[in-house]
Amino acid sequence: QVQLQESGPGLVKPSETLSLTCAVSGYSISSGYYWGWIRQPPEKGLEWIGSIYHTGTTYYNPSLKSRVTLSVDTSKNQFSLKLSSVTAADTAVYYCARGVGSSGYSFDFWGQGTLVTVSS
Amino acid sequence: QSALTQPASVSGSPGQSITISCTGTSSDVGGYNYVSWYQQHPGKAPKLMIYDVYNRPSGVSNRFSGSKSGNTASLTISGLQAEDEADYYCSSYTSSSALELFGGGTKLTVL
Repeated sequence: QVQLQESGPGLVKPSETLSLTCAVSGYSISSGYYWGWIRQPPEKGLEWIGSIYHTGTTYYNPSLKSRVTLSVDTSKNQFSLKLSSVTAADTAVYYCARGVGSSGYSFDFWGQGTLVTVSS
Repeated sequence: QSALTQPASVSGSPGQSITISCTGTSSDVGGYNYVSWYQQHPGKAPKLMIYDVYNRPSGVSNRFSGSKSGNTASLTISGLQAEDEADYYCSSYTSSSALELFGGGTKLTVL
C-alpha cells in the first residue's frame, strides 16, 4: 500500500519560507508517476500548488510559480515543497499526493495533511 | 484562472440518487477527458472517487459514476447512504497555464 507523510514546521513567520517534505513508502518514486502538492485554507476549497515528475521535471500553478520550488530526492524516496515570502493567505493544510490517470493530475494516494499557520 | 463551478450544496434521502455538476470551459472540462472527483470527510484527506471522467479506482463503490457533456461534468451517486455525506470536489486538467483546476466544492447532505 502506498503511503505518504508530510513533515515540516507547523508555524512560519510572515515573509519567511515554508518548507515541507513528503516521505513516500510502499512505492519507489523513481519508478514513475507525478507527485503533487495541494493545499486547502481553513474552511475553503482545494488548490493545486504544483507537481514534479520522478525525473525532476516540475509544473507549477502560475499563481504561485514565482514563490514555489519543488524537488525530489529519489535516494530518500521523498519530495519537497518550498514556498517563499509567505503571508497569512498561505495558511492552509498542505497535502502531498501521487498523481495518476491520463493527465497525471488525478491524485490517488494522499498524505494526511499538515496544517501550516503563517503568523508572527 | 477561475475555479470550476459546482453547486454549493445538494441533498438527498437514503436510497435516492443525486448528481453533482461541475462546469468549466472548452479549455478544461470540455476539452479533455481528464476530470476527477474527490470525496472529503471533515478533517480527512480527499479520496479519489473518479478519474478520467468515468473511471473508478480500485475499491470505490460502483454506486459512484462519472459523466461529461460539453463543458459540464457530473458525478452521480446512486443508492445514497449516510456515509456518503461529505464534501465533493471536481478537478480538471486545463490547457491554460494553471494546468490543474479544482471546483469550489459541493456539500452533500444525506437527509
